[in-house]
Amino acid sequence: DGGITQSPKYLFRKEGQNVTLSCEQNLNHDAMYWYRQDPGQGLRLIYYSQIVNDFQKGDIAEGYSVSREKKESFPLTVTSAQKNPTAFYLCASSPGTGGFSKPQHFGDGTRLSIL
Amino acid sequence: AQKVTQAQTEISVVEKEDVTLDCVYETRDTTYYLFWYKQPPSGELVFLIRRNSFDEQNEISGRYSWNFQKSTSSFNFTITASQVVDSAVYFCALSEGATGANNLFFGTGTRLTVIP
Repeated sequence: DGGITQSPKYLFRKEGQNVTLSCEQNLNHDAMYWYRQDPGQGLRLIYYSQIVNDFQKGDIAEGYSVSREKKESFPLTVTSAQKNPTAFYLCASSPGTGGFSKPQHFGDGTRLSIL
Repeated sequence: AQKVTQAQTEISVVEKEDVTLDCVYETRDTTYYLFWYKQPPSGELVFLIRRNSFDEQNEISGRYSWNFQKSTSSFNFTITASQVVDSAVYFCALSEGATGANNLFFGTGTRLTVIP
């Protein structure tokens, strides 16, 4: 089945450590997104990529980094500079052009906690 | 200012009751898109509907219906004869501009609990 796979489902980070969240899609979508969800809040955009080898910062990019070397993959690194990384992270994708005007398909999410 | 407001934080209904989830948005663009997503306990968001600013026709899909009113900047979602499987957090979202280039603004969500 086509879809978005995020791994791991749960992740723990020690202080001062970088961790990478994986996001893979086999929907042949051009655009991919990373969102952060905190309890009782909506989703906030971290980074997005409309095409391979290109990405843009979202509203809360500080302390995060991404790469888009392949169409299928959009990994997110949470760096030690992100002082409050505990959250639920969702990856999404959408087809073709049209950016945020297109419906997005979401993965199951990764829950990141600080040890 | 919040671009999408979902004033109802939590709603509980008894199974088979109808329930309406409110969404009020704010934008200066004449072209925009509105969305509803469902987030079940498993965590992923599931797309329910998209409506563009030029189409004010109400939409019905099975037990789901949507009422889009530009005059009140609202895009409300009604579930008829609610079922336990409808229990989830529901998000309303807004994308501005013809190309949707900027961002997708989410409301804070409404947690719906359907009691059997």
